[in-house]
Amino acid sequence: EIVLTQSPGTLSLSPGERATLSCRASRSVNSNYLAWHQQKPGQAPRLLIYGASTRASGIPDRFSGSGSGTDFTLTISRLEPEDFAVYYCHQYSSSPRTFGQGTKVEIK
Amino acid sequence: QVQLQESGPGLVKPSETLSLTCTVSGDSIGSYYWSWIRQPPGKGLEWIGYIYYTASTNYNPLLQSRVTISADTSKNQFSLKLSSVTAADTAVYYCARGDYYHLWGQGILVTVSS
Repeated sequence: EIVLTQSPGTLSLSPGERATLSCRASRSVNSNYLAWHQQKPGQAPRLLIYGASTRASGIPDRFSGSGSGTDFTLTISRLEPEDFAVYYCHQYSSSPRTFGQGTKVEIK
Repeated sequence: QVQLQESGPGLVKPSETLSLTCTVSGDSIGSYYWSWIRQPPGKGLEWIGYIYYTASTNYNPLLQSRVTISADTSKNQFSLKLSSVTAADTAVYYCARGDYYHLWGQGILVTVSS
């Protein structure tokens, strides 16, 4: 099983600031089959990034993904009020599929 | 526009079987992976399993002995059965499309309680 560890657990930032979220895998994620999802309270998750760096349809370009192998990053270039949420990384390269424990981006 | 909608009982008694259905509109379940994921209250996401091409399945080893995912192409639905439930199975259950979940249902809260 690939264990995904996200850091930090909570990120306290102000609107307009840059957010950098990390996801580290316990072993290499083949073909960069790594996705990022955003979840707001009371809502289902929403796909942001797949293939480590490809934005899903309709996702603003302030969201970007990077990384390969075991280290991946989600960057939000300038936080908008609607970006404060919990973010999960997820690997789909091997079974069982696994998620990170989440990073909460909160308003400072 | 593709939509997924979970349905089923919101309350299940301990030791009984949880049964949920995901109805897909705007797409055929004959393609893609179709998955079930759950989220206990206040916690993170847990993959339950998937079905693809309406026949092949893959389950989380932690749940494998209790889980069955099946598909009904005539109704364009796929279903989850989880047997011998306990309070630890209380969660919001989501269905999702694709290998990287590019579309999610809204989720359904299932509480296990007598």
